[in-house]
Amino acid sequence: AQSVTQPDIHITVSEGASLELRCNYSYGATPYLFWYVQSPGQGLQLLLKYFSGDTLVQGIKGFEAEFKRSQSSFNLRKPSVHWSDAAEYFCAVAPHTGTASKLTFGTGTRLQVTL
Amino acid sequence: NAGVTQTPKFRILKIGQSMTLQCTQDMNHNYMYWYRQDPGMGLKLIYYSVGAGITDKGEVPNGYNVSRSTTEDFPLRLELAAPSQTSVYFCASSPSELAGGDQYFGPGTRLLVL
Repeated sequence: AQSVTQPDIHITVSEGASLELRCNYSYGATPYLFWYVQSPGQGLQLLLKYFSGDTLVQGIKGFEAEFKRSQSSFNLRKPSVHWSDAAEYFCAVAPHTGTASKLTFGTGTRLQVTL
Repeated sequence: NAGVTQTPKFRILKIGQSMTLQCTQDMNHNYMYWYRQDPGMGLKLIYYSVGAGITDKGEVPNGYNVSRSTTEDFPLRLELAAPSQTSVYFCASSPSELAGGDQYFGPGTRLLVL
């Protein structure tokens, strides 16, 4: 069964500092990979996704993520964090096969931004 | 655009009561999903639907039922509420099979079962 690990439950960074959120997956083949953000009291919003091709993907709000097959990782990065980025971030995977492929989510990383 | 709407926002149920969580999307998406989110956990799929009249179980379907009579609506039914069903419930929709499709989430329904 596929699984997703986000090893950092909580991260605090200063505004303007760089950010990297870790995500590792376990799956027999390369799955589809996603990062979602959840602001307090809100539903999830898709930041970016990787299906194939270029291993560095750009998303909304200045985020990017790099797929590393050798490490089974899909880490999320941002060069300069803004206070509005404080939220919970979820990594998710889905298999290539099957209809209505179902997302498997990690447990999330809560980002706090200090001014 | 309304996107995905969910009602109610918050509800308290007594053990054994029943209720229906409503979900409506106005994007003409074929695929719809119900997730639950427990504290400190990721979302887990309860049920999903690939179109009107077609539903299937996800990872945690026990204690829930769904129906999909129209493209727009995908209600989730709790027949006999239990404390283990205390959670935040999210409905989502996507325009196509996940490959190439994105999931759009509603704001959630917070349910407390006492």
